[in-house]
Amino acid sequence: AQTVTQSQPEMSVQEAETVTLSCTYDTSENNYYLFWYKQPPSRQMILVIRQEAYKQQNATENRFSVNFQKAAKSFSLKISDSQLGDTAMYFCAFRGTGTASKLTFGTGTRLQVTL
Amino acid sequence: ETGVTQTPRHLVMGMTNKKSLKCEQHLGHNAMYWYKQSAKKPLELMFVYSLEERVENNSVPSRFSPECPNSSHLFLHLHTLQPEDSALYLCASSQDSRGGAGETQYFGPGTRLLVL
Repeated sequence: AQTVTQSQPEMSVQEAETVTLSCTYDTSENNYYLFWYKQPPSRQMILVIRQEAYKQQNATENRFSVNFQKAAKSFSLKISDSQLGDTAMYFCAFRGTGTASKLTFGTGTRLQVTL
Repeated sequence: ETGVTQTPRHLVMGMTNKKSLKCEQHLGHNAMYWYKQSAKKPLELMFVYSLEERVENNSVPSRFSPECPNSSHLFLHLHTLQPEDSALYLCASSQDSRGGAGETQYFGPGTRLLVL
């Protein structure tokens, strides 16, 4: 079974600074997908970024980028130029490619962006 | 309206009540999901429907009963719930449920449920 671990329950960053959220996972599969979701206080779960394991290039979406280390099974999220609106819970998630695979979430990291 | 919508946004019910949660997706997706989000726990997948057929049921108690009348609508019927069922219930949809590139799930805003 796959597991996803987010070892940082809470983090804080000042506005305009850069922060990195950690995520590690465990799987025996070779092809899979990794996701970062953001859940602000409004509770809407929003997809931030997605990475296919077979792609070596790290995914980037504007101020959000990932550092995907397949051998180390690590998938960290970097947020550059942090904004107050980035304050939210961030969830890392894994999904294999088998028909029985499901989306497995970590326990989340609460990020607070301060002035 | 776009994306995934859920109603109601908040629900308070007694243990003897019967209520239903509704989810609607406007993305043309074929798969829909129910998740339970409790405090300090990872999201728990409850049910998966693909093309209106239930493909996964993660050992959910029978007091939760899903219904998927078509690929755009998903319901979660609730009856004789327990206080520990209080949680945020999230609906999601994806293009398909088979783990391919179309697997990215898009979530609704959730229903905050309180069982008294």
